[in-house]
Amino acid sequence: AAGVIQSPRHLIKEKRETATLKCYPIPRHDTVYWYQQGPGQDPQFLISFYEKMQSDKGSIPDRFSAQQFSDYHSELNMSSLELGDSALYFCASRLMVSALGYTFGSGTRLTVV
Amino acid sequence: AQSVTQPDIHITVSEGASLELRCNYSYGATPYLFWYVQSPGQGLQLLLKYFSGDTLVQGIKGFEAEFKRSQSSFNLRKPSVHWSDAAEYFCAVGVIDRGSTLGRLYFGRGTQLTVWP
Repeated sequence: AAGVIQSPRHLIKEKRETATLKCYPIPRHDTVYWYQQGPGQDPQFLISFYEKMQSDKGSIPDRFSAQQFSDYHSELNMSSLELGDSALYFCASRLMVSALGYTFGSGTRLTVV
Repeated sequence: AQSVTQPDIHITVSEGASLELRCNYSYGATPYLFWYVQSPGQGLQLLLKYFSGDTLVQGIKGFEAEFKRSQSSFNLRKPSVHWSDAAEYFCAVGVIDRGSTLGRLYFGRGTQLTVWP
């Protein structure tokens, strides 16, 4: 079965650089969630999209932005990177009207040096 | 405000022993509850979920969890642990957003499980 695809798997950036993380949801899933998991931390909700519109916003820094495209894939853009942005970034998708839960991708590990 | 508490940061059990990981939640409405497992550097794999109905839910890999509304708990259990179960386990509550649909997840801090041979 198709899963949630995240790219890249690993990313190394320098401080003040920009990074773009991509998430391809399961086919027919219309909702995408982004989470950030710092070292030894629990995943923290950043932002979500439903039908290409932002549906909820969590603790996402102003330096970050995200969007969902017409094919339902989503991108998380991170600018002016800081050392503290080093984390595992998860994307999850689901079908809004479904009673089923979320499916998580394997994550993108971002390291800022 | 919604929150999830996993009181045990680290648990060590012997292979073949029983396991119970504790989870308490705080949420004003009927909770949607989940248990995820994460191996080092890997993604989150769903073990089981509770939406409604039978309060004892069965999951993958021989895990089960029981929802107890009176105790605001959703503890994860396994009768006999295998060495491959060593991982980090996260309990999560899903909240209902303004559209009356399932929204974001709130996670606990996780419980690291070590299994002795």
